[in-house]
Amino acid sequence: DTGVSQDPRHKITKRGQNVTFRCDPISEHNRLYWYRQTLGQGPEFLTYFQNEAQLEKSRLLSDRFSAERPKGSFSTLEIQRTEQGDSAMYLCASSFGGVGTEAFFGQGTRLTVV
Amino acid sequence: DAKTTQPPSMDCAEGRAANLPCNHSTISGNEYVYWYRQIHSQGPQYIIHGLKNNETNEMASLIITEDRKSSTLILPHATLRDTAVYYCIVRGDSGGSNYKLTFGKGTLLTVNP
Repeated sequence: DTGVSQDPRHKITKRGQNVTFRCDPISEHNRLYWYRQTLGQGPEFLTYFQNEAQLEKSRLLSDRFSAERPKGSFSTLEIQRTEQGDSAMYLCASSFGGVGTEAFFGQGTRLTVV
Repeated sequence: DAKTTQPPSMDCAEGRAANLPCNHSTISGNEYVYWYRQIHSQGPQYIIHGLKNNETNEMASLIITEDRKSSTLILPHATLRDTAVYYCIVRGDSGGSNYKLTFGKGTLLTVNP
């Protein structure tokens, strides 16, 4: 068990470009979460998958954002037409089971839009 | 919105116990108290969680008051590597059984030599 893995760790992109991030959860974890964190703030919830089904999306997830989790394994988060305000740390977490089971986070992808 | 209140910052001397308080006066019966910490530029790290009883693991102890309206995270022998932002989170079924973690701003714990 290597923990939650995120790729890339850092991404610098020009405004208007599309970017895609990948998250590999802990194997057999059926729940997967995406968060965004800006400087000085705690992580903010973006979206949640149970297996391959995307069951909740935050209002923070604008139309330019899309997330997928094909076959209930890894997940991707795509941002289209990036804006400077998208610069943040994007975190992925996974868990197995209900509310009493811990969720584990990856190290995040740091996005800088220039 | 986060359902917890924490002091923005605390200091602790190296080798001493660090006691981090958290208020969660609106906690409901099926909600757990979770603690995470985040060292600069890293992802949040799970520490401990509990429902009603006090809990202890290799990292910390969690003391939950009998009325469950507040809790304390105890790091028994703080080291410089424990300097981090500590988040207290109330986690339950917020609808749709997503069990998401809602973070506040946490407490910046600084361990001093």
